[in-house]
Amino acid sequence: AQSVTQPDIHITVSEGASLELRCNYSYGATPYLFWYVQSPGQGLQLLLKYFSGDTLVQGIKGFEAEFKRSQSSFNLRKPSVHWSDAAEYFCAVGARGGATNKLIFGTGTLLAVQP
Amino acid sequence: DTGVSQNPRHKITKRGQNVTFRCDPISEHNRLYWYRQTLGQGPEFLTYFQNEAQLEKSRLLSDRFSAERPKGSFSTLEIQRTEQGDSAMYLCATEQGIGVVTEAFFGQGTRLTVV
Repeated sequence: AQSVTQPDIHITVSEGASLELRCNYSYGATPYLFWYVQSPGQGLQLLLKYFSGDTLVQGIKGFEAEFKRSQSSFNLRKPSVHWSDAAEYFCAVGARGGATNKLIFGTGTLLAVQP
Repeated sequence: DTGVSQNPRHKITKRGQNVTFRCDPISEHNRLYWYRQTLGQGPEFLTYFQNEAQLEKSRLLSDRFSAERPKGSFSTLEIQRTEQGDSAMYLCATEQGIGVVTEAFFGQGTRLTVV
């Protein structure tokens, strides 16, 4: 079955420090992978996506993610975190086939940023 | 603002009452999804429309839930005889595409509280 695991429920980093959020997926075929960010009480905003090609993808707000097929991972990184990055981050895999077209989300990682 | 509009933003209802939510997609988007998000969890897929056709429903969608998308434009999600367990954020997402998942744009959601 398709699934997404985000091992870290909560992470705290200092402003200016680097960040890596982990994501592991289980999917039978080549996955379509996404990272979304959600601010409190808001919907989800797409940060970046991987469909094919270069395994290092760049997104908005200075985020990047690397697809590693051998590790079934799609970790999100940012070299220097800003206070405004505090939010919840969700990794998702796009499930497809027949009539199925949906996103399967992980449980999220809540990021806190210390001054 | 992604261009996907959901109304109302908040809804408080008494147990046993019926509620209806509305989603207005980005105008050219042919696919529309409903997701449910409970506290501390990632969004979970409920149902999917391609144009006006409802092509998939999750097992999470009990008989009390019904969704429509007349004429392939806006969509409504109705919950009959609400229960406390229905309290959640209901998210709508839309995208333009044929076949595989492309890029879904999420609305800000409707937060339902059943008292």
